[in-house]
Amino acid sequence: SQQGEEDPQALSIQEGENATMNCSYKTSINNLQWYRQNSGRGLVHLILIRSNEREKHSGRLRVTLDTSKKSSSLLITASRAADTASYFCATVFSGGYQKVTFGTGTKLQVIP
Amino acid sequence: GAGVSQSPSNKVTEKGKDVELRCDPISGHTALYWYRQSLGQGLEFLIYFQGNSAPDKSGLPSDRFSAERTGGSVSTLTIQRTQQEDSAVYLCASSLYGTNTEAFFGQGTRLTVV
Repeated sequence: SQQGEEDPQALSIQEGENATMNCSYKTSINNLQWYRQNSGRGLVHLILIRSNEREKHSGRLRVTLDTSKKSSSLLITASRAADTASYFCATVFSGGYQKVTFGTGTKLQVIP
Repeated sequence: GAGVSQSPSNKVTEKGKDVELRCDPISGHTALYWYRQSLGQGLEFLIYFQGNSAPDKSGLPSDRFSAERTGGSVSTLTIQRTQQEDSAVYLCASSLYGTNTEAFFGQGTRLTVV
């Protein structure tokens, strides 16, 4: 079963606006990662936040992690048409196999 | 190589035939993953290899699916007696060993069963 669930499933915004996507998960994690997928093919890693971190920035990306609520959010500021893609959160469990388990994804459309 | 390589890029096969999908991970990456993605859906975990440990096969949907990883490098995903519901993009990823490492993805194999 999927570890993460993204919300919303789809998001449409105007270029220049901010986009916020949320991810919830079920069990204790070592880290949470966000990936982007264009055109239904390979995923590209965006950012990794460790379980002992609360916030992380990378360029126009801001990720927060609340382990007490088992949730994370990805904020893309000043969105561009090129940000149109599907965004997935992924988690690594804190025990057992260190495998990366993906959520259901958010489809973001940025309208020029 | 420079990245994760998957072959073929596209595969069309007749229902009932067997197919083999290949993944060449990044050199030195001990972890290798296979995922399946149906049109417009999320990633479905299939199998995970980590070094010489027994693979985690918990995501394989049926006994028609199997995977091998030879010499800790190249992996082959085999689907026997393909069905139309097997049509999907099959994605391979690899990563270094460790808990805080990112996964690098190949471009996937789009499998169409007709």
